[in-house]
Amino acid sequence: DAKTTQPTSMDCAEGRAANLPCNHSTISGNEYVYWYRQIHSQGPQYIIHGLKNNETNEMASLIITEDRKSSTLILPHATLRDTAVYYCIVRVDYGQNFVFGPGTRLSVLP
Amino acid sequence: NAGVMQNPRHLVRRRGQEARLRCSPMKGHSHVYWYRQLPEEGLKFMVYLQKENIIDESGMPKERFSAEFPKEGPSILRIQQVVRGDSAAYFCASSRAGNSNQPQHFGDGTRLSIL
Repeated sequence: DAKTTQPTSMDCAEGRAANLPCNHSTISGNEYVYWYRQIHSQGPQYIIHGLKNNETNEMASLIITEDRKSSTLILPHATLRDTAVYYCIVRVDYGQNFVFGPGTRLSVLP
Repeated sequence: NAGVMQNPRHLVRRRGQEARLRCSPMKGHSHVYWYRQLPEEGLKFMVYLQKENIIDESGMPKERFSAEFPKEGPSILRIQQVVRGDSAAYFCASSRAGNSNQPQHFGDGTRLSIL
């Protein structure tokens, strides 16, 4: 699996957009980019994933650069409940498990 | 549509006892994954199962740990002769298929404490 690099922590004001970057410069052509988050004491929650194109769902948007070496997860209007650790993961091959790094600890501030 | 169900949520065992952790995947999901999270650490993959088959157990300790996913019923992670170092949160995830375009959906875990 390609290695990912994320900032250790970030702050965001409530109501503003939270932009979480992820670097995956060694990504291969068939590797998907996944984002999960983990709120304290809960299981990881799936947010979004993509291969090449930008993706949007009810939770977030995923922007992948044209060379696919980095991506940004956007939470358009952050709330206090979005405070969590966010994990960026790249995944390849059938049945491949997810490799969770340390992630980014996002704190949404009132 | 119910999510991944794990039970018990909390389990306390004394050293030397057995621990059994259960996981019911989401409806329509036949692929199950088990992960372990030690305090203040990230999740570590343990084992991947598809109905009645172990596909990948590269993350499982060689001794005392076993997993199954029978044709009927939940997946079971079994830890025999537990030790203090087994204290952790154990998470189960399921997916509809095993290809890389299928997200895994996680349960809220079982917190195992060894006295």
